[in-house]
Order: sequence, then structure tokens, then C-alpha cells
Amino acid sequence: NAGVTQTPKFQVLKTGQSMTLQCAQDMNHEYMSWYRQDPGMGLRLIHYSVGAGITDQGEVPNGYNVSRSTTEDFPLRLLSAAPSQTSVYFCASKNGPQETQYFGPGTRLLVL
Amino acid sequence: GENVEQHPSTLSVQEGDSAVIKCTYSDSASNYFPWYKQELGKRPQLIIDIRSNVGEKKDQRIAVTLNKTAKHFSLHITETQPEDSAVYFCAARGGDKIIFGKGTRLHILP
Repeated sequence: NAGVTQTPKFQVLKTGQSMTLQCAQDMNHEYMSWYRQDPGMGLRLIHYSVGAGITDQGEVPNGYNVSRSTTEDFPLRLLSAAPSQTSVYFCASKNGPQETQYFGPGTRLLVL
Repeated sequence: GENVEQHPSTLSVQEGDSAVIKCTYSDSASNYFPWYKQELGKRPQLIIDIRSNVGEKKDQRIAVTLNKTAKHFSLHITETQPEDSAVYFCAARGGDKIIFGKGTRLHILP
């Protein structure tokens, strides 16, 4: 199993550009989440999903969209990138509400 | 919604000594409390977790305690080693969400 994979590993955007961060898992997990990590701020939940077709907002959802058309994939879309979205983004998945959550390797995003 | 506070933000201990990291949570319905370790440049990884039906759990040098009444939980690392140097995050399950504390950077001094 590859576990949780994320692409790209690193991306530079200009203000106003859009892009999609990809996340996939091959463990047949129902739950998937996106977090952003900023210095001194810990891991903040952006959006999450409890199954295909179901998504919900986390702590910091503004400026981001998600969809969950399959169990395996959970892409994160930045509609119009802003410098405040410069961060490291982690995708995570788990098999149930109290099960171990596994993180992907992260995507480092720089918005100029 | 759930809110998790974590202290201290930085902790330095001599190699061989014990380290304690404390967290509080706000949602009395929370029932699952994982702890993650993140080494520099790497992804967070689960090191131990506790469910609300127990008060303490141990795994070798690591233990977690939970006080549901006070809404406190703590991570204890005994006989610290250089490889314990990392950032540690506590978290709490609020509904379908896992909410994290801001992290503790642990330095193990030689």
C-alpha cells in the first residue's frame, strides 16, 4: 500500500492564480481531511469528508473548496490564491472516527 | 466547536529526564485523544491515543493520562533520548473532526 499520497510536493503560485492539490489513499478509508500547518499555529482543519459525496467545513475553510467523488480521492482547490495561503498542506485519512489518522507527506505552497 | 489548548509551546529537558506536555479541551462530548509526533520536514505520525473510557494508557516510555472531569489530558515521556526531539501535537475528536493543539517543540539536551 502506498498509504496517503499528495501531489505536488512543492508549488509556487502568483496571487490570484488557482490550483488543485491532489490527495489519494489506497486504504479504503471513509474519512479524509485537509489541514494546513503554519509556524506556531499547529495543524488547522480546512475541510473534511466522512465518505464519498459528503464534505464539511473545518476551522479555516475560506478560500478553499473540496469535493469527494470517490472514496480514494479528496482534492483541495484554491480558487484565487493569496499570500496568506502560503503554508504546508497535509491530507489525512482514517477508517473511522476513533481510528488512527494517517497523514500524507505534505505539499509546500508558496504564494507570491 | 472543539478547542484544544496545549502547553508548553517549547520544552527542554536533559537526556534521561522525563517530559510532560499538557492539553485541555472544551467539548465535554469529545471521546478520543490522539498524540502525534512530527520530526523536522516530515509528516505527523501517531504515537499513542486514548479513549474516554480509560484514564491512562502506556506504551513503553510513553504514557497518556486523561481527566474527563477537568477536561485535561497529558503526555508523559520517561527516560528521554535524543530521538525524542520533535514537535508533539495533542488532538481531540469533536464530532467527525480531529482538532489539534498548537504543538510543543521538545528539545532533548545532552
